[in-house]
Amino acid sequence: EVQLVESGGGLVQPGGSLRLSCAASGFTFSSYEMNWVRQAPGKGLEWVSYISSSGNTIYYADSVKGRFTISRDNAKNSLYLQMNSLRAEDTAVYYCARKQIAELYYYYMDVWGKGTTVTVSS
Amino acid sequence: DIQMTQSPSSLSASVGDRVTITCRASQSISNYLNWYQQKPGKAPKLLIYAASSLQSGVPSRFSGSGSGTDFTLTISSLQPEDFATYYCQQSYSTPPYTFGQGTKLEIK
Repeated sequence: EVQLVESGGGLVQPGGSLRLSCAASGFTFSSYEMNWVRQAPGKGLEWVSYISSSGNTIYYADSVKGRFTISRDNAKNSLYLQMNSLRAEDTAVYYCARKQIAELYYYYMDVWGKGTTVTVSS
Repeated sequence: DIQMTQSPSSLSASVGDRVTITCRASQSISNYLNWYQQKPGKAPKLLIYAASSLQSGVPSRFSGSGSGTDFTLTISSLQPEDFATYYCQQSYSTPPYTFGQGTKLEIK
């Protein structure tokens, strides 16, 4: 079964750090580009970060640039999100999502984890 | 960055109704547009990609159309399990892959 399982969420104080993990199974993880997407309580979806299959190409949303770092370990079938200098507005459910490509140019997120909750509060 | 605007933000409808949700991009994105469904406490689920291609396993009552800046998601005959929040997302060029703000579909 194709599956993504996030972990590492929790309660952290403003200015603190947290590292999220996403364990992939049921597919060849090293062949897929990956994303992190978050959802603040009662709000919509916000794309956070992208990493290519090799890890060589990375993008961030402006809201997290300079504070968050995405990485992956293909040998461990794992995706990570290192979050530093956390703010109250980073409070959200964080999802990892697999990027799928159809007909060479159409990109979409076809597999999602169940999410891990990050709460930034004193 | 490309902005995505959905309308309406919320919608009340009855089982069996035909429903249309609109998504507008701030610039042309050709047909690089995806639709997702999200139920409370659950992860989003892909419904449609490339504006009109139905994801495998998604019921045929869901359809998408549009190109350029204007797109629609149509549910031909609402079923009880369709009451959820729907998001459009653009995948034009490089990230950010922005989402619309969502449309909450509620039971009338």
